[in-house]
Amino acid sequence: DIQMTQSPSSLSASVGDRVTMTCRASQRISNHLNWYQQKPGKAPKLLIYAASTLQTGVPSRFSGSGSGTDFTLTISSLQPEDSGTYYCQQSYSTPGFGQGTKLDIK
Amino acid sequence: EVQLLESGGGLVKPGGSLRLSCAASGFTFSDFSMNWVRQAPGKGLEWVSSIYSSGSDIYYADSVKGRFTISRDNAQNSLYLQMNSLRADDTAVYYCVRDNGGGDYAYEFDYWGQGTPVIVSS
Repeated sequence: DIQMTQSPSSLSASVGDRVTMTCRASQRISNHLNWYQQKPGKAPKLLIYAASTLQTGVPSRFSGSGSGTDFTLTISSLQPEDSGTYYCQQSYSTPGFGQGTKLDIK
Repeated sequence: EVQLLESGGGLVKPGGSLRLSCAASGFTFSDFSMNWVRQAPGKGLEWVSSIYSSGSDIYYADSVKGRFTISRDNAQNSLYLQMNSLRADDTAVYYCVRDNGGGDYAYEFDYWGQGTPVIVSS
Protein backbone atom coordinates (compact mmCIF):
# COMPACT_ATOMS: atom_id res chain seq x y z
CA ASP A 1 0.00 0.00 0.00
CA ILE A 2 1.06 3.57 -0.66
CA GLN A 3 1.44 5.60 2.55
CA MET A 4 0.65 9.31 2.57
CA THR A 5 2.30 11.58 5.15
CA GLN A 6 1.20 15.17 5.70
CA SER A 7 3.07 17.93 7.46
CA PRO A 8 2.64 19.78 9.63
CA SER A 9 -0.11 18.05 11.58
CA SER A 10 -1.41 21.45 12.63
CA LEU A 11 -0.69 25.07 11.95
CA SER A 12 -1.98 28.47 12.92
CA ALA A 13 -1.85 31.53 10.68
CA SER A 14 -3.33 34.98 10.35
CA VAL A 15 -5.78 36.32 7.82
CA GLY A 16 -3.87 37.39 4.72
CA ASP A 17 -0.94 35.03 5.33
CA ARG A 18 0.42 32.71 2.68
CA VAL A 19 0.02 29.15 3.96
CA THR A 20 1.73 26.03 2.68
CA MET A 21 1.28 22.41 3.68
CA THR A 22 2.90 19.34 2.26
CA CYS A 23 2.07 15.73 1.46
CA ARG A 24 4.58 12.99 0.75
CA ALA A 25 3.86 9.62 -0.85
CA SER A 26 5.82 6.48 0.04
CA GLN A 27 6.32 5.76 -3.68
CA ARG A 28 6.03 7.72 -6.89
CA ILE A 29 2.43 8.50 -7.85
CA SER A 30 2.97 10.84 -10.80
CA ASN A 31 0.33 13.58 -10.42
CA HIS A 32 -2.37 11.33 -8.91
CA LEU A 33 -2.87 13.47 -5.84
CA ASN A 34 -5.99 15.21 -4.58
CA TRP A 35 -6.65 17.71 -1.79
CA TYR A 36 -9.78 18.03 0.36
CA GLN A 37 -10.98 20.51 2.96
CA GLN A 38 -13.15 19.36 5.85
CA LYS A 39 -14.92 21.54 8.37
CA PRO A 40 -16.15 20.13 11.72
CA GLY A 41 -19.28 18.04 11.36
CA LYS A 42 -19.28 18.34 7.58
CA ALA A 43 -18.32 16.14 4.67
CA PRO A 44 -14.99 16.75 2.95
CA LYS A 45 -14.89 19.00 -0.10
CA LEU A 46 -12.67 18.40 -3.12
CA LEU A 47 -10.36 21.37 -3.68
CA ILE A 48 -7.73 20.18 -6.13
CA TYR A 49 -7.34 17.05 -8.22
CA ALA A 50 -4.53 15.73 -10.38
CA ALA A 51 -2.10 17.63 -8.13
CA SER A 52 -2.81 21.08 -9.57
CA THR A 53 -6.28 21.28 -11.15
CA LEU A 54 -8.67 23.50 -9.23
CA GLN A 55 -12.12 21.96 -8.74
CA THR A 56 -14.97 24.07 -10.14
CA GLY A 57 -16.09 26.72 -7.69
CA VAL A 58 -12.98 26.62 -5.50
CA PRO A 59 -11.41 30.05 -4.94
CA SER A 60 -8.26 30.79 -6.91
CA ARG A 61 -6.28 31.48 -3.74
CA PHE A 62 -5.95 27.69 -3.45
CA SER A 63 -3.27 26.06 -5.57
CA GLY A 64 -1.53 22.73 -5.71
CA SER A 65 1.81 21.62 -7.05
CA GLY A 66 4.12 18.65 -7.14
CA SER A 67 4.71 15.38 -8.88
CA GLY A 68 6.26 12.06 -8.01
CA THR A 69 6.37 11.83 -4.23
CA ASP A 70 6.22 15.42 -2.95
CA PHE A 71 3.19 17.69 -3.15
CA THR A 72 2.16 21.08 -1.81
CA LEU A 73 -1.13 22.85 -1.13
CA THR A 74 -0.84 26.63 -0.94
CA ILE A 75 -3.36 29.23 0.17
CA SER A 76 -2.09 32.52 -1.18
CA SER A 77 -4.00 34.83 1.16
CA LEU A 78 -5.66 33.11 4.09
CA GLN A 79 -9.32 33.90 4.72
CA PRO A 80 -11.33 33.24 7.92
CA GLU A 81 -13.44 30.59 6.17
CA ASP A 82 -10.32 28.56 5.31
CA SER A 83 -10.06 27.07 8.79
CA GLY A 84 -10.53 23.32 8.90
CA THR A 85 -8.64 20.11 8.28
CA TYR A 86 -6.97 19.45 4.94
CA TYR A 87 -6.39 15.95 3.61
CA CYS A 88 -4.32 14.73 0.72
CA GLN A 89 -5.30 11.52 -1.07
CA GLN A 90 -3.49 9.46 -3.65
CA SER A 91 -5.47 8.19 -6.61
CA TYR A 92 -2.63 6.21 -8.21
CA SER A 93 -3.92 2.94 -6.79
CA THR A 94 -6.73 1.99 -4.41
CA PRO A 95 -7.19 5.27 -2.55
CA GLY A 96 -5.34 6.32 0.55
CA PHE A 97 -5.51 9.50 2.59
CA GLY A 98 -2.98 11.39 4.62
CA GLN A 99 -3.62 11.93 8.31
CA GLY A 100 -4.61 15.57 7.79
CA THR A 101 -3.33 19.06 8.57
CA LYS A 102 -5.51 21.11 10.91
CA LEU A 103 -5.46 24.81 10.03
CA ASP A 104 -6.50 27.39 12.60
CA ILE A 105 -6.90 31.12 12.12
CA LYS A 106 -5.10 33.26 14.71
CA GLU B 1 -27.85 19.70 -8.22
CA VAL B 2 -25.98 16.55 -7.27
CA GLN B 3 -27.29 15.03 -4.05
CA LEU B 4 -26.23 11.92 -2.18
CA LEU B 5 -28.37 10.92 0.79
CA GLU B 6 -27.20 8.09 3.04
CA SER B 7 -29.39 6.13 5.40
CA GLY B 8 -29.32 2.94 7.44
CA GLY B 9 -26.76 3.80 10.08
CA GLY B 10 -27.30 3.17 13.76
CA LEU B 11 -26.24 1.28 16.86
CA VAL B 12 -25.40 -2.41 16.42
CA LYS B 13 -23.77 -5.02 18.64
CA PRO B 14 -20.40 -6.54 17.77
CA GLY B 15 -20.90 -9.36 15.31
CA GLY B 16 -24.09 -7.80 13.99
CA SER B 17 -25.03 -6.53 10.55
CA LEU B 18 -26.23 -3.30 8.95
CA ARG B 19 -27.10 -2.27 5.42
CA LEU B 20 -26.35 1.27 4.37
CA SER B 21 -28.12 2.89 1.44
CA CYS B 22 -27.33 5.97 -0.61
CA ALA B 23 -29.94 7.64 -2.80
CA ALA B 24 -28.40 9.62 -5.64
CA SER B 25 -30.00 12.41 -7.63
CA GLY B 26 -29.07 15.30 -9.90
CA PHE B 27 -26.83 13.30 -12.22
CA THR B 28 -26.89 10.16 -14.37
CA PHE B 29 -26.04 7.65 -11.69
CA SER B 30 -25.21 4.83 -14.09
CA ASP B 31 -22.43 6.94 -15.65
CA PHE B 32 -20.32 7.17 -12.49
CA SER B 33 -18.29 4.87 -10.31
CA MET B 34 -19.17 5.20 -6.62
CA ASN B 35 -17.45 4.72 -3.29
CA TRP B 36 -17.87 4.43 0.44
CA VAL B 37 -15.43 6.34 2.66
CA ARG B 38 -15.56 6.30 6.46
CA GLN B 39 -14.26 8.43 9.29
CA ALA B 40 -13.89 7.13 12.83
CA PRO B 41 -14.62 9.63 15.62
CA GLY B 42 -11.83 12.21 15.80
CA LYS B 43 -9.83 10.39 13.12
CA GLY B 44 -8.98 10.80 9.46
CA LEU B 45 -10.60 9.52 6.31
CA GLU B 46 -10.46 5.86 5.26
CA TRP B 47 -11.53 4.57 1.85
CA VAL B 48 -13.76 1.49 2.25
CA SER B 49 -14.93 0.29 -1.16
CA SER B 50 -15.46 1.21 -4.82
CA ILE B 51 -17.84 -0.05 -7.47
CA TYR B 52 -17.63 0.55 -11.19
CA SER B 53 -20.42 2.38 -12.97
CA SER B 54 -21.87 -0.85 -14.33
CA GLY B 55 -21.24 -2.77 -11.12
CA SER B 56 -18.90 -5.12 -12.94
CA ASP B 57 -15.76 -4.26 -10.96
CA ILE B 58 -15.43 -3.90 -7.20
CA TYR B 59 -12.60 -3.17 -4.74
CA TYR B 60 -12.40 -3.28 -0.95
CA ALA B 61 -10.01 -2.07 1.70
CA ASP B 62 -8.23 -4.95 3.43
CA SER B 63 -9.85 -3.91 6.72
CA VAL B 64 -13.35 -4.80 5.43
CA LYS B 65 -12.66 -7.47 2.81
CA GLY B 66 -14.79 -10.57 3.38
CA ARG B 67 -17.16 -8.74 5.74
CA PHE B 68 -18.57 -5.87 3.66
CA THR B 69 -20.30 -6.02 0.28
CA ILE B 70 -20.85 -3.03 -1.97
CA SER B 71 -23.59 -3.09 -4.59
CA ARG B 72 -25.65 -0.72 -6.69
CA ASP B 73 -29.00 -0.57 -8.44
CA ASN B 74 -28.70 1.77 -11.41
CA ALA B 75 -32.44 1.57 -12.08
CA GLN B 76 -33.09 2.89 -8.58
CA ASN B 77 -30.13 5.34 -8.53
CA SER B 78 -28.96 3.70 -5.33
CA LEU B 79 -25.72 2.52 -3.76
CA TYR B 80 -25.53 0.02 -0.91
CA LEU B 81 -23.08 -1.29 1.65
CA GLN B 82 -23.91 -4.54 3.42
CA MET B 83 -21.83 -4.75 6.57
CA ASN B 84 -21.55 -8.09 8.39
CA SER B 85 -19.48 -9.29 11.36
CA LEU B 86 -19.21 -5.73 12.59
CA ARG B 87 -16.46 -4.84 15.04
CA ALA B 88 -15.90 -1.91 17.39
CA ASP B 89 -13.30 -0.48 15.02
CA ASP B 90 -15.93 -0.20 12.29
CA THR B 91 -17.51 2.61 14.31
CA ALA B 92 -17.46 5.65 12.02
CA VAL B 93 -19.43 8.04 9.90
CA TYR B 94 -19.88 6.42 6.49
CA TYR B 95 -19.95 8.66 3.43
CA CYS B 96 -21.34 7.87 0.00
CA VAL B 97 -18.98 9.45 -2.53
CA ARG B 98 -19.04 9.99 -6.28
CA ASP B 99 -15.96 9.42 -8.41
CA ASN B 100 -15.06 12.29 -10.74
CA GLY B 101 -13.87 9.89 -13.43
CA GLY B 102 -17.24 9.24 -14.99
CA GLY B 103 -17.63 5.57 -15.73
CA ASP B 104 -14.01 4.75 -14.96
CA TYR B 105 -12.07 4.87 -11.71
CA ALA B 106 -10.29 8.18 -11.20
CA TYR B 107 -10.58 8.07 -7.40
CA GLU B 108 -11.18 11.82 -7.42
CA PHE B 109 -14.05 12.23 -4.98
CA ASP B 110 -16.07 15.22 -6.16
CA TYR B 111 -19.40 14.82 -4.34
CA TRP B 112 -20.01 13.52 -0.83
CA GLY B 113 -23.17 12.75 1.09
CA GLN B 114 -23.72 14.12 4.59
CA GLY B 115 -22.74 10.78 6.12
CA THR B 116 -24.53 8.22 8.26
CA PRO B 117 -23.13 7.18 11.65
CA VAL B 118 -22.49 3.56 12.52
CA ILE B 119 -21.80 2.69 16.16
CA VAL B 120 -20.70 -0.83 17.04
CA SER B 121 -21.01 -1.37 20.76
CA SER B 122 -22.43 -3.85 23.24
